[in-house]
Amino acid sequence: EADIYQTPRYLVIGTGKKITLECSQTMGHDKMYWYQQDPGMELHLIHYSYGVNSTEKGDLSSESTVSRIRTEHFPLTLESARPSHTSQYLCASSDLANTGELFFGEGSRLTVL
Amino acid sequence: GQQVMQIPQYQHVQEGEDFTTYCNSSTTLSNIQWYKQRPGGHPVFLIQLVKSGEVKKQKRLTFQFGEAKKNSSLHITATQTTDVGTYFCAGPNFNKFYFGSGTKLNVKP
Repeated sequence: EADIYQTPRYLVIGTGKKITLECSQTMGHDKMYWYQQDPGMELHLIHYSYGVNSTEKGDLSSESTVSRIRTEHFPLTLESARPSHTSQYLCASSDLANTGELFFGEGSRLTVL
Repeated sequence: GQQVMQIPQYQHVQEGEDFTTYCNSSTTLSNIQWYKQRPGGHPVFLIQLVKSGEVKKQKRLTFQFGEAKKNSSLHITATQTTDVGTYFCAGPNFNKFYFGSGTKLNVKP
């Protein structure tokens, strides 16, 4: 079983609110990723990190920001949520070898009213 | 940037029929991975292929990696209702990991 956890699982908030989606893994993986996925659609990479204090934007433009202060923790923050941010956000991690499998969290389903 | 395309987008089969999904990359891949996502779930790793022309089997599932390492396929023999879900291929590009567009499989009992 993968040891990667996301909270909250579900979140319904109003427009303009600041939210942070938490992602933690206990596998000691250096690489972590955030994907955005609308129901039944493909996964879009929005952020990734290959170690502490390293973060990069993915190919899908996102108004969210991330931080990587500790190996095990990779939170995603939206300063001012909008209805267009409504989606599922999936966090994943893998080892540094770049050939390792990705372990996914259960996801955080965000609805912005 | 790198693009990973999958066909078909959807496939509806009768239980017991075979199913194949194809994955094509615009660039050569060092390796390719396959994932399955059940409805309402998260992607779960199935297998990784590394070598040119590699073929791997997992019970009723057969995975192939093309000779040029730019395409791959997943074939399921005699589908079952438990095979329902979306199948994604994925390939690395430096520190990024790109997922294909996915093939959604529906199996009618």
